[in-house]
Amino acid sequence: QVQLVQSGSEVKKPGASVKVSCKASGYTFANYYVHWVRQAPGQGLEWMGIINPSGGGTSYAQKFQGRVTMTRDTSTSTVYMDLSSLRSEDTAVYYCARGSSGTYYNHLDYWGQGTLVTVSS
Amino acid sequence: EIVMTQSPATLSVSPGERATLSCRASQSVNSNLAWFQQKPGQAPRLLIYGASTRATGIPARFSGSGSGTEFTLTISSLQSEDFAVYYCQQYNNWPPLTFGGGTKVEIK
Repeated sequence: QVQLVQSGSEVKKPGASVKVSCKASGYTFANYYVHWVRQAPGQGLEWMGIINPSGGGTSYAQKFQGRVTMTRDTSTSTVYMDLSSLRSEDTAVYYCARGSSGTYYNHLDYWGQGTLVTVSS
Repeated sequence: EIVMTQSPATLSVSPGERATLSCRASQSVNSNLAWFQQKPGQAPRLLIYGASTRATGIPARFSGSGSGTEFTLTISSLQSEDFAVYYCQQYNNWPPLTFGGGTKVEIK
């Protein structure tokens, strides 16, 4: 069965960086995009960006351009989301989610369990 | 950027009753719309994609309709486990993918 397992909670100081991992299993890793979505406490869902595990190509929401980097390791079927220059407003649960295909019109069909990132001095 | 607007923000419904949730897009998204259910402390779960196709394992009491800019999620007879927050999301024109603000379905 498809599974996305994320790394554990993190506490970071303002200005630091955080790297969250998302290990995929139960499907052919290279054939499906992976998205990152975050949710601040008590708030809605916010899309951050997408990575194509096949070639490593990425596309980021403009809000995060310059601060976010998404990478992948095909040998371990793992994708990573690195967010730098953290501020208190980045405190949120970060989710990875699989795109339903490797084509443009793909919906988010399977989600990781989420990783809480807390930014506090 | 396509703005997704959900209404109402909160819907109070008695168990066994019908719930109708609305989602509007600021421009056409064709049928490239998904609905998610989220319970406290859990990740979102895909309910509907392609505006009207139920995801694997989703009960038949959940149905989606609409195309273009107006969409509806209907829960025909609310069960206790259906009380949650529901989000719509368009994937027709990205980046960015965009979500609605959510509708909380609570017990009346």
